[in-house]
Amino acid sequence: DGGITQSPKYLFRKEGQNVTLSCEQNLNHDAMYWYRQDPGQGLRLIYYSQIVNDFQKGDIAEGYSVSREKKESFPLTVTSAQKNPTAFYLCASSIRSRYGYTFGSGTRLTVV
Amino acid sequence: QQQVKQSPQSLIVQKGGIPIINCAYENTAFDYFPWYQQFPGKGPALLIAIRPDVSEKKEGRFTISFNKSAKQFSLHIMDSQPGDSATYFCAASKGSGNTGKLIFGQGTTLQVKP
Repeated sequence: DGGITQSPKYLFRKEGQNVTLSCEQNLNHDAMYWYRQDPGQGLRLIYYSQIVNDFQKGDIAEGYSVSREKKESFPLTVTSAQKNPTAFYLCASSIRSRYGYTFGSGTRLTVV
Repeated sequence: QQQVKQSPQSLIVQKGGIPIINCAYENTAFDYFPWYQQFPGKGPALLIAIRPDVSEKKEGRFTISFNKSAKQFSLHIMDSQPGDSATYFCAASKGSGNTGKLIFGQGTTLQVKP
């Protein structure tokens, strides 16, 4: 079955560390997105990519970085510059000809 | 103009009740209005969606009502069940596929009591 796989499900980061969240899709979708979810704040867009080797900043890109070297993969790095990284991170993808997204099951990142 | 405002933030109903969640938007270029359902620890899943050329869409117990002139749309859950307890997000976008970035509301946490 096609879908989006996010890993790991839980991730713990020490102060000053960079961590990378994985997002892989086998849906042959063109666009991929990263959202951050905090209680009471909905889904906030971090970065998105419409084609390979191209990506754009979303509303809260500071302290994050991404790459899109393959159509199937869109990893997100949470850098030490992100001062409050504890959150639930969601990856999504969409196809050119259709509306709406398919979401992964999320990664919960906690700073320890 | 890019915001989607959702209310209420939380909602508690008895089993069999009809919870209603409302959303409002400003950008008249939006042409796709989905609702997503999210269970704790999971990613959101598409529940139902509407285009602005219709005023109502039903899928099972879920109904979207759309008021283009007021720039509002709402989700109604008929005969609600405890299994409907989840967080619901409305969203809006203009265009499909790669250009159709979804703008999400803040979410509504629904609890359906047995």
